[in-house]
Amino acid sequence: AQTVTQSQPEMSVQEAETVTLSCTYDTSESDYYLFWYKQPPSRQMILVIRQEAYKQQNATENRFSVNFQKAAKSFSLKISDSQLGDAAMYFCAYRINFGNEKLTFGTGTRLTIIP
Amino acid sequence: DAGVIQSPRHEVTEMGQEVTLRCKPISGHDYLFWYRQTMMRGLELLIYFNNNVPIDDSGMPEDRFSAKMPNASFSTLKIQPSEPRDSAVYFCASSLEAGGPNTQYFGPGTRLTVL
Repeated sequence: AQTVTQSQPEMSVQEAETVTLSCTYDTSESDYYLFWYKQPPSRQMILVIRQEAYKQQNATENRFSVNFQKAAKSFSLKISDSQLGDAAMYFCAYRINFGNEKLTFGTGTRLTIIP
Repeated sequence: DAGVIQSPRHEVTEMGQEVTLRCKPISGHDYLFWYRQTMMRGLELLIYFNNNVPIDDSGMPEDRFSAKMPNASFSTLKIQPSEPRDSAVYFCASSLEAGGPNTQYFGPGTRLTVL
């Protein structure tokens, strides 16, 4: 069974600084997707960024980028120039590419932005 | 687009009562998902549908839970009878197609409290 582990329950960062959230996963599949979702206090789950396992190039979305290490089964999220609006729970998630649409989530990291 | 719509946003009920949660997916999306979020178990998939047909209901906790999708624009998750341990946030999500980079878009969730 696939598992996703987020070892940092809480993180904090100074506004405008850079922070990295860690995620590791376990799977025997070779074709899959990884996602980072953000859950602000409003409770809405918002997709931040996604990465296809077959793509070696790390995904980037504006201030958000990932460091995808397939062999190590690691998928960290880097947030640059942190803003107050980035404060939220961040969830790492896994899904195989085809066959089952189930998203498997990690336990989340609560990110606090210090003004 | 209005996004995924869930109702009610909050529900408080007493143990033993029937609870019905409702979801309207994004128009044109073929896949609909029900997730549950608790402190103890995190985010977990309960069931998902493709073209109104249940595909994977292995996450449904027990017979007290049932989900239906009578048409492409409406789904319900019913708990009968409800128990205090069912207290959680229930999310509905939808996606356009299967696999690949297709993103699951989440609704705002229903916070259920069973007294």
